[in-house]
Amino acid sequence: DAGVIQSPRHEVTEMGQEVTLRCKPISGHNSLFWYRQTMMRGLELLIYFNNNVPIDDSGMPEDRFSAKMPNASFSTLKIQPSEPRDSAVYFCASSSWSNGYEQYFGPGTRLTVT
Amino acid sequence: KNEVEQSPQNLTAQEGEFITINCSYSVGISALHWLQQHPGGGIVSLFMLSSGKKKHGRLIATINIQEKHSSLHITASHPRDSAVYICAVGRYISQGNLIFGKGTKLSVKP
Repeated sequence: DAGVIQSPRHEVTEMGQEVTLRCKPISGHNSLFWYRQTMMRGLELLIYFNNNVPIDDSGMPEDRFSAKMPNASFSTLKIQPSEPRDSAVYFCASSSWSNGYEQYFGPGTRLTVT
Repeated sequence: KNEVEQSPQNLTAQEGEFITINCSYSVGISALHWLQQHPGGGIVSLFMLSSGKKKHGRLIATINIQEKHSSLHITASHPRDSAVYICAVGRYISQGNLIFGKGTKLSVKP
């Protein structure tokens, strides 16, 4: 398997622009997680889906952030409008009951908002 | 106070040394994860455990549920072990809500 795939790997955008991050989980995994990592706060869970349904989005910072999972093989995290404080590395991870819920991480998307 | 505390924050060791990284948590959990993040940024899950001890190669992870404490040991450390090691706890077996420690930055000198 190719592992968790994220795109783009790097994104530089100007404040106020819309940003869309994409994730393809490992085939057969039924849980998908979006995390954010910053120097100040470390890793934080933003939202997670189980069987394509959002289960907990309490980590989503504010209304500017939204996430969707239209099918089992694709998820997006959208920021609109983006702000400099959104600059971080965004990780997607997936897991499955069949592997004991061990999480497999994607390579991350490094977002810089200027 | 953070719900997951790691110590030390930074650790420098000589190649071959035995290394221990500690993690304490204050919430009830169903499982604890040890993750490794290399300088390139990728994150790899090393262990997920809810009791006892697990071993994989030179890495050993232990957990004491009563004391709410876990340790990650590296035997015969090597420069390629240099990375940030992150402890995370999951409250529910379905592993949705992981709470992360700040990480321990390990540097192993040749």
